[in-house]
Amino acid sequence: DVKVTQSSRYLVKRTGEKVFLECVQDMDHENMFWYRQDPGLGLRLIYFSYDVKMKEKGDIPEGYSVSREKKERFSLILESASTNQTSMYLCASSFERGRLSYGYTFGSGTRLTVV
Amino acid sequence: AQSVAQPEDQVNVAEGNPLTVKCTYSVSGNPYLFWYVQYPNRGLQFLLKYITGDNLVKGSYGFEAEFNKSQTSFHLKKPSALVSDSALYFCAVRGQYNFNKFYFGSGTKLNVKP
Repeated sequence: DVKVTQSSRYLVKRTGEKVFLECVQDMDHENMFWYRQDPGLGLRLIYFSYDVKMKEKGDIPEGYSVSREKKERFSLILESASTNQTSMYLCASSFERGRLSYGYTFGSGTRLTVV
Repeated sequence: AQSVAQPEDQVNVAEGNPLTVKCTYSVSGNPYLFWYVQYPNRGLQFLLKYITGDNLVKGSYGFEAEFNKSQTSFHLKKPSALVSDSALYFCAVRGQYNFNKFYFGSGTKLNVKP
């Protein structure tokens, strides 16, 4: 089974701190994604990556950056954490070949609280 | 613009009764449609998908979904609900030409009462 592992289930950080959320997948998937999930808003795409060192902004990239130095690892960085970044963060990976879309495999999520 | 709508924040159903969770979409080209389920404090798990072929798609845990092109809908169904089906359900769509990127609905909380 494909596994997507997020390094922390729960994090509490202070306002202004630099925060790193790590995600690792073990099935050689090309595509990786970071979403945040908030009640009533569903999942919103922050950043995604098609390949190593490639990144693209999603719908809500402000206040975030990403790093993909290796194919299996996709890191989300909160440059200066703010309370409005308190949320559940979900990492996902996917593999697609034309019409053979297998959808996403998600990690278990990191619940981040910024105080 | 591509989007997914789940018109019901919550669906309540009695155990043993049929359930339906609604989803409509807007996408360029032919849609790739998915349903995911999320249990508390967990990531999303894949339930089923429609890419092409039969409009009725069967998935995990006895769930199925019906693709209706004219109504741009992809409703999730199950003939007989279980208490353990209680969870948050997300519909997602990917456009034929919007490679890799999925759009998710806001989620529907399913409550199955014993």
